[in-house]
This record gives sequence, structure tokens and C-alpha cells, in this order.
Amino acid sequence: GAVVSQHPSRVICKSGTSVKIECRSLDFQATTMFWYRQFPKQSLMLMATSNEGSKATYEQGVEKDKFLINHASLTLSTLTVTSAHPEDSSFYICSARDRGLPEAFFGQGTRLTVV
Amino acid sequence: GDSVTQMEGPVTLSEEAFLTINCTYTATGYPSLFWYVQYPGEGLQLLLKATKADDKGSNKGFEATYRKETTSFHLEKGSVQVSDSAVYFCALRVNTNAGKSTFGDGTTLTVKP
Repeated sequence: GAVVSQHPSRVICKSGTSVKIECRSLDFQATTMFWYRQFPKQSLMLMATSNEGSKATYEQGVEKDKFLINHASLTLSTLTVTSAHPEDSSFYICSARDRGLPEAFFGQGTRLTVV
Repeated sequence: GDSVTQMEGPVTLSEEAFLTINCTYTATGYPSLFWYVQYPGEGLQLLLKATKADDKGSNKGFEATYRKETTSFHLEKGSVQVSDSAVYFCALRVNTNAGKSTFGDGTTLTVKP
């Protein structure tokens, strides 16, 4: 199957700093990528849909100025958590679709801890 | 809107027991259905899929059949192993909804030796 690589897998940052998470499709082009947030023992919450070459579409309640998404190429989308606070600590997961296939492929996830 | 309801967990079974995790859905269009598995600290892996009614997805001994009449996609395995312990998510995707996937809440499975 298609491979989606997410980096870093774990990051610890100080409150007030910004953190960038990368999501790459390794063997296919992804015009659309998705960013999710997962709280412990809960399901995935869609944060935004990232479209190559255009602005991301954010779900209701997600602050677009706090969670900056850039999808500059067909194989890379980035999520930047700006001015991070402890409540932003969570597991963030990206996914991408290979055109023509019904399923989405997921990255390994990033465990963000803000101290 | 689209939604997925799956059996609440946690589910604890002995090795070689039969597994069923129920999943039902509502969708505005004609969805594709999926089961994903998540191991601790990892992302989601596609376990199996079905794209039209009566399709049966299967992988690693797991099976699920797309039942349009009951809007269900129950996951089954005849004989579970300790290594099957994980969280299982049922999901759907409708082509008309910008490709977004809708997930159930997840069911935690623990298999004991």
C-alpha cells in the first residue's frame, strides 16, 4: 500500500514556542491531505483538510491562526502549532489519499507535549 | 451528516476466541467502508475495506461484509491472537464529501493468553 511518513514522531516544546509537523506521501501524489487530533482513548477529530496549492479548509472550532497548514507540493503538507500551550498537547495524525483509491493512508502520528 | 457507531469497548477475549465488533453507519451518499487498526503510540493502519454493497473485505483472518440493508460493516475474526490486541476503528468515506473520512469512536481489544 501507499506510504505516508510523518515527522517527528515525538516532540517536547516549551510553552509559547511553535512546532512544525511534516506529513509526506512517499510513493504517490496527494492533492488532499487531512490533519487529525486524537485525545487519549478517543477517536480521531478532523482538524482540517489540506489542499495542494490552496488554503486549507478548517473544521468548525479549529483556530486557523493557531494551527497553520501549508500544502506546498503534492507530497508534503505541514502543520505548525503556533504559540503552543499545554492544552495543545495531543497526538496529531495526518492522512493522505492516493487518487483513484478509496482509502486514506495514515502517518505514524506525532506525540506533542507542551511543557 | 455522516456518522459511524461502533460497539463500545473495551473487549477482552482469550486467545483463539471468536471476535465480533459491531459497526453501523449513516451516510448521505454511497460510502466506502473501512476498518483501521491502531497499535499503541502509532498511527492507523488500514485493515480491510469494502466499496460496494455485499462486498466482503478480508485481511489477516479478519472479515467484514458491507450490508447496505442493515447499514452495517461488522468486523469478525474466527480465532484471535494476543498480537491482535489494539484499537479498531470503523470508518466511512463518501466521494462527495471532499474525501473526508468519518470514524467511529474506536473499540479497544485485549486478547489474553
